[in-house]
Amino acid sequence: AQTVTQSQPEMSVQEAETVTLSCTYDTSENNYYLFWYKQPPSRQMILVIRQEAYKQQNATENRFSVNFQKAAKSFSLKISDSQLGDTAMYFCAFMRTSTSGTYKYIFGTGTRLKVLA
Amino acid sequence: NAGVMQNPRHLVRRRGQEARLRCSPMKGHSHVYWYRQLPEEGLKFMVYLQKENIIDESGMPKERFSAEFPKEGPSILRIQQVVRGDSAAYFCASSPLLGTSLSGNTIYFGEGSWLTVV
Repeated sequence: AQTVTQSQPEMSVQEAETVTLSCTYDTSENNYYLFWYKQPPSRQMILVIRQEAYKQQNATENRFSVNFQKAAKSFSLKISDSQLGDTAMYFCAFMRTSTSGTYKYIFGTGTRLKVLA
Repeated sequence: NAGVMQNPRHLVRRRGQEARLRCSPMKGHSHVYWYRQLPEEGLKFMVYLQKENIIDESGMPKERFSAEFPKEGPSILRIQQVVRGDSAAYFCASSPLLGTSLSGNTIYFGEGSWLTVV
């Protein structure tokens, strides 16, 4: 069974600084997708960034980038130039592709990030 | 282009009552997923539905919980005889058929329904 581990329950960063959130996962699959979702105080789940496992190039979305290490099964999120609006829970998620038609996301337990003014 | 719509946003039920949570997927999406988030925890998969068909209900509790996605209308998550432990946020997500280039294998979440059992 696939598992997703986020080992940092809470983190804080000064505004304008850079922070990295870690995520590791366990799977025997070769084709899969990885995601970072953000859950601000409003509790809505917002997609931050997505990575396809078959792509070697790390995904980037503006101030957000990932460090995808497939062999190490690691998928960390780097937030550059942190802003107060980045304060949120961040969830790492794994989804495997399937020929059986069954797809589901497996989520980590989350990292609570606080950006300090 | 409306996103995933969930209602009610907040629901209070007494122990033993029934709770019904509704989810309308994004336009063009034919697949719906329900997740539950207990306080201070991550999201746990409950069920995956297509129109008129349950694809995967491996995360659904065996008793009191049911889900449907009829041909017409929203998907419904139904919890009978609620107990305090059912208090949680219930998130619905939708997508086109996953595994195709159309979807990018991404699901899109609604804003959640918060169930409080008193």
